[in-house]
Amino acid sequence: ETGVTQTPRHLVMGMTNKKSLKCEQHLGHNAMYWYKQSAKKPLELMFVYSLEERVENNSVPSRFSPECPNSSHLFLHLHTLQPEDSALYLCASSHGQGSSYEQYFGPGTRLTVT
Amino acid sequence: AQSVTQPDIHITVSEGASLELRCNYSYGATPYLFWYVQSPGQGLQLLLKYFSGDTLVQGIKGFEAEFKRSQSSFNLRKPSVHWSDAAEYVCAVGAGRTDKLIFGTGTRLQVFP
Repeated sequence: ETGVTQTPRHLVMGMTNKKSLKCEQHLGHNAMYWYKQSAKKPLELMFVYSLEERVENNSVPSRFSPECPNSSHLFLHLHTLQPEDSALYLCASSHGQGSSYEQYFGPGTRLTVT
Repeated sequence: AQSVTQPDIHITVSEGASLELRCNYSYGATPYLFWYVQSPGQGLQLLLKYFSGDTLVQGIKGFEAEFKRSQSSFNLRKPSVHWSDAAEYVCAVGAGRTDKLIFGTGTRLQVFP
């Protein structure tokens, strides 16, 4: 596999479920990101990890919990979500942290909360 | 704080016609500027970027963009659109080396044969 992969591609979950989104990058990058993309809204940065350390938490509700066990993997653990959390969740990676580094995106996980 | 505006939500062009997608930003200094393309069910792919130097930037798939400081704009252009160019185009701005990217709301391009 090359680039940035995300699993699952689609997820439907109830408000009381617990699930996790997985992201893996095969590019040797040191920074990884979670974004939320809702219809007619710009991408919202959720979390940034640089060298496996969380460097940004963009006022995201605690029902979203990120985990970065190593520089190649990033998880987003979900629990007790709300219907408004339904969106496309995109993972990205870059050589370093910051806007001067090109970000490579995965295909996203389409999440539906029922 | 910096911001990005893409005034056109949806644009329709005929195949073979020229294309210009608008992007305006708000930032005091010279920002880092990016154009991404997003096909249905896919993530974002970088088309081109501007950091400094020549204000006309060439990208992939035959796209180019021009940075105009006086107009705070970074418009994306293509001389002849192909049906495969139908997608969502997203402009983004970064304020500095360690700052995060701010994304626009995107412009959906539809191409008619």
